Amino acid sequence: AQTVTQSQPEMSVQEAETVTLSCTYDTSESNYYLFWYKQPPSRQMILVIRQEAYKQQNATENRFSVNFQKAAKSFSLKISDSQLGDTAMYFCAFMIAIQGAQKLVFGQGTRLTINP
Amino acid sequence: NAGVTQTPKFRILKIGQSMTLQCTQDMNHNYMYWYRQDPGMGLKLIYYSVGAGITDKGEVPNGYNVSRSTTEDFPLRLELAAPSQTSVYFCASRQGANSYEQYFGPGTRLTVT
Repeated sequence: AQTVTQSQPEMSVQEAETVTLSCTYDTSESNYYLFWYKQPPSRQMILVIRQEAYKQQNATENRFSVNFQKAAKSFSLKISDSQLGDTAMYFCAFMIAIQGAQKLVFGQGTRLTINP
Repeated sequence: NAGVTQTPKFRILKIGQSMTLQCTQDMNHNYMYWYRQDPGMGLKLIYYSVGAGITDKGEVPNGYNVSRSTTEDFPLRLELAAPSQTSVYFCASRQGANSYEQYFGPGTRLTVT
C-alpha cells in the first residue's frame, strides 16, 4: 500500500524563524513525485514545491526547500524566514501511477501557525 | 482562464436526498479528479477520469457516481446522502500523462443532517 505519514499534527513558530515539517512515505515504486501543498483558511490547495524521485538534488522555491532522503523515504519541508502568510495546513503528497492516471496520495496534514 | 470552478460552494442536505456537485475546467485538461477532505484529514480520491467517456474508481467511491461526457465537465453525483458524506469536496484537473501538477477548485462544503 502507498501511504504518506505526517507525524506533526500542529506546529507553531514566531515570525522570521525557520520551521521544518516532517513527512515519510511508503512505496515500492522507484520513480515518483513528491509534493508539498499549502491550504490556507480559504481552503484553496496551493502547490508549494515538488521533487522528482530520480533527482538527488533537493528542490528549492524561494523560502521553501526540501530535504529528500530516498533511502529513508523521508521528505521534509523547510520554511525559512517564516511569514504570517505562511499560516496554513500543509499536506505532503505522493504521486503514483494507477492505470496511467497518476493519482495523488495525501498525508493527514500539519497545521502551521506563524505568530507575530 | 477561470481554471477549475465548482458549484455550489456550500450545501446542506437531508439524509436520503440526492445532489450533483458540478466541476468545470477551461484549461483543456484531459485528467480530472474528485477528492473528499474530512475534518482534520488529508484528501482522499473518490473518482477520476483520464478523458471524456472514461472514468474509474478511486480510494473511496462508495455512495458516489460520476460521468464525463465532455472534456470540460466532471460532475459528481451523490445518491441517498448519508451523514458520513459530510465533507469538503475538491475537484482537480491535470493536463496529461507528462504533466505533474494538479489544479484544484475552491471546494464545496457539504453537510448531511
